[in-house]
Amino acid sequence: SQTIHQWPATLVQPVGSPLSLECTVEGTSNPNLYWYRQAAGRGLQLLFYSVGIGQISSEVPQNLSASRPQDRQFILSSKKLLLSDSGFYLCAWSLQVGNEQFFGPGTRLTVL
Amino acid sequence: GQQLNQSPQSMFIQEGEDVSMNCTSSSIFNTWLWYKQDPGEGPVLLIALYKAGELTSNGRLTAQFGITRKDSFLNISASIPSDVGIYFCAGQLTGGFKTIFGAGTRLFVKA
Repeated sequence: SQTIHQWPATLVQPVGSPLSLECTVEGTSNPNLYWYRQAAGRGLQLLFYSVGIGQISSEVPQNLSASRPQDRQFILSSKKLLLSDSGFYLCAWSLQVGNEQFFGPGTRLTVL
Repeated sequence: GQQLNQSPQSMFIQEGEDVSMNCTSSSIFNTWLWYKQDPGEGPVLLIALYKAGELTSNGRLTAQFGITRKDSFLNISASIPSDVGIYFCAGQLTGGFKTIFGAGTRLFVKA
């Protein structure tokens, strides 16, 4: 069966520091991968999606970036965090275009 | 861009009551999905709907794909305290990579 992992689970970082969040999927090949952000008490905002290694599409202009160095690995990064980057970051995968998305456990990021 | 209007925003109900929530859009979707999110966790898929008019159940949960393909509802019967959480609807367009999410319905159940 497929599983999706995210780490770290929680992170507290000062403003201006770098960020690296990792997501890995097991039990499937060539998944579509997604990064979402959820602000407190709000819905899900799609940040990036990837349909293959090295292929990244950005949905919202921001100071975040994403990379997919391996088939089942998706990384969310920032060179300098802002206060507004605080939130709950969710990684998700799907088998193909238009299929159901399955979410990871999330990373709670607090920028102070 | 496409938007989903999910209502109500929140619901406070007594244990044992039935619950109904819905999503509407001005866009036509090929797939409707319903997720539940517990506090501090990722959303979990409850029900997926693929055809207009489709009615699908998962235990005490029932969801329908509207005939116009622009709406969907989720019903929960005989609510229990563990039903507490945020319920999200989501729609997928033809050939689209993106899933569009509603803002969520926050459900509170009093024992």
